[in-house]
Amino acid sequence: DTGVSQDPRHKITKRGQNVTFRCDPISEHNRLYWYRQTLGQGPEFLTYFQNEAQLEKSRLLSDRFSAERPKGSFSTLEIQRTEQGDSAMYLCASSSRGTVYGYTFGSGTRLTVV
Amino acid sequence: AQTVTQSQPEMSVQEAETVTLSCTYDTSESDYYLFWYKQPPSRQMILVIRQEAYKQQNATENRFSVNFQKAAKSFSLKISDSQLGDAAMYFCASLLQGGSEKLVFGKGTKLTVNP
Repeated sequence: DTGVSQDPRHKITKRGQNVTFRCDPISEHNRLYWYRQTLGQGPEFLTYFQNEAQLEKSRLLSDRFSAERPKGSFSTLEIQRTEQGDSAMYLCASSSRGTVYGYTFGSGTRLTVV
Repeated sequence: AQTVTQSQPEMSVQEAETVTLSCTYDTSESDYYLFWYKQPPSRQMILVIRQEAYKQQNATENRFSVNFQKAAKSFSLKISDSQLGDAAMYFCASLLQGGSEKLVFGKGTKLTVNP
């Protein structure tokens, strides 16, 4: 069990560029979550996968955002045409059935849009 | 809709003393869970303690304990014998059982531990 890995740790991009983040969950975890955390705030739910199926998306996830989890393994979160308001920490978490025991979070990807 | 409120943006405590962080929540559901997460400067969220809403007994984990007042929808975290390593952001969160089981977080409390 190597934990939840996120790549990259930091990303600086120019406004209007596309960015993609990757999350590798704990291998036996079938549930995967993406959260966004802005400065001074708690994490906010973005989307949820059970295996390869994306079952819920937040209203925060605009049309510029897309997430995938092919084959129910790793997940990617892509942001197209980035805006300064997208600057945040993007957290990935995974869990097995029994989320009530808590998730395992990754260390996050810090996105800065300049 | 679930909401979680942490009214203390910052707290400080002397090493070896006890500190209590406050949290209130709102939900109309009956099957839910409450959590405290710690986020050190290294950023990874770490689960500190969890409480099942159907349990009356307050959860404890070593130096960490909660005061769960279901009727008042209050869920405070007590840290005893505070250590320098306890310094971090602490987030209270709720989770509804069933469905996506997503976490709803409060805004956090920054805890400083003074030597």
